[in-house]
Amino acid sequence: QSVLIQPPSASGTPGQRVTLSCSGTSSNIGTNTVNWYQQVPGTAPKLLIYSSNQRSSGVPDRFSASKSGTSASLAIRGLQSGDEADYYCGTWDDSLSAYVFGSGTKVTVL
Amino acid sequence: QVQLVQSEPEVKRPGASVRVTCKASGYTFTLYSIAWVRQVPGEGLEWMGLISTYNGKTKFAQRFQDRVTLSADTSTTTAHMELRNLTSDDTAIYFCARVEDYSGNSDFDPWGQGTLVSVSS
Repeated sequence: QSVLIQPPSASGTPGQRVTLSCSGTSSNIGTNTVNWYQQVPGTAPKLLIYSSNQRSSGVPDRFSASKSGTSASLAIRGLQSGDEADYYCGTWDDSLSAYVFGSGTKVTVL
Repeated sequence: QVQLVQSEPEVKRPGASVRVTCKASGYTFTLYSIAWVRQVPGEGLEWMGLISTYNGKTKFAQRFQDRVTLSADTSTTTAHMELRNLTSDDTAIYFCARVEDYSGNSDFDPWGQGTLVSVSS
């Protein structure tokens, strides 16, 4: 079981806004910054968001993220078919002395 | 451009060891650490460990601590991950990724393309 909790799936129609959540504890999200990764099936993960709310180079501003307390969220505005992928949150856990990932959310564009 | 290129897929017998290679290019190798992450097919990402390419210091996830060796060769800008005493549960895609901060509180960017390790008798 993953240390960070993410809903297994999310969906929306093209153009809609979708918000993904990532829930942790005081020893991980509550203390450290959160990163978000996008993984299209069959490919390597790609960094989407770093330091909780900073878009990685080349990532469109349709993607935004925030962190509050022990939770983080990723929003995708103007959903496109190319956004279909698995999205993982990740951060360092001070208690485990390990980097931890969420279980991932599969985004489907209807 | 910054790139991490990994070695080819491997097929191993239970009890054997596997060594996966990650060749870095396009940046100063010793300024960044290398992390290793694995993904069982159809499942999520799992952090295995991290090596400082500057001084060779390592950190490991507890469950891999006794079975994994990480190394980095600065002369060839290549990182290696060796996993010993393989079982079928180790069948997975193994990724390397560049990490800015050895403390661990850092993002992974970019990632290698992944190396599939299959363990079967």
